[in-house]
Amino acid sequence: GNSVTQMEGPVTLSEEAFLTINCTYTATGYPSLFWYVQYPGEGLQLLLKATKADDKGSNKGFEATYRKETTSFHLEKGSVQVSDSAVYFCALSDKRQGAQKLVFGQGTRLTINP
Amino acid sequence: EPEVTQTPSHQVTQMGQEVILRCVPISNHLYFYWYRQILGQKVEFLVSFYNNEISEKSEIFDDQFSVERPDGSNFTLKIRSTKLEDSAMYFCASTYDQETQYFGPGTRLLVL
Repeated sequence: GNSVTQMEGPVTLSEEAFLTINCTYTATGYPSLFWYVQYPGEGLQLLLKATKADDKGSNKGFEATYRKETTSFHLEKGSVQVSDSAVYFCALSDKRQGAQKLVFGQGTRLTINP
Repeated sequence: EPEVTQTPSHQVTQMGQEVILRCVPISNHLYFYWYRQILGQKVEFLVSFYNNEISEKSEIFDDQFSVERPDGSNFTLKIRSTKLEDSAMYFCASTYDQETQYFGPGTRLLVL
């Protein structure tokens, strides 16, 4: 079945460091790919998405490129801030008749120190 | 900006009791979902709902679970007889276009 694997956490960085959180997927067909973020005490918020190969999703300085050849969707940010501290989830959509469901990775907890 | 809301934010219940978790999806959305996240584990799909019926459910969603859209705004998840292992954060989500799902803040359920 479809699955998503994220790099193990937690990840701790200093402010202004470069961030990469790895995500690889296994899927039949051509899924859409997503990064969701969960700030402390809050729900899941869509950070960015890409719907086809070579698409780049971007938001709030974060980027991820849909790489079909490596089945990856790594999240990157050039200079992280303390406010980026959160749990990040990679996910893919699994299209079925009439609806779709999201399949999530295990989440990566990111802590940014000032 | 419209958002998905969920009530209550926290619920504590005794094993064997029934609980109803409530969600108000974004008003023009057509597809509705429940997910859960057991502490420290992945977010897992439970059920999807469209056109007043279940369109898909996971193996977690057994006979103890049911969903309902009793009026034009609410979407509920009922657990008939709670078990200890039902303790989790439950997220409701909705979408208009089947592409981007918008999540509520979650209900943390604790079964004692």
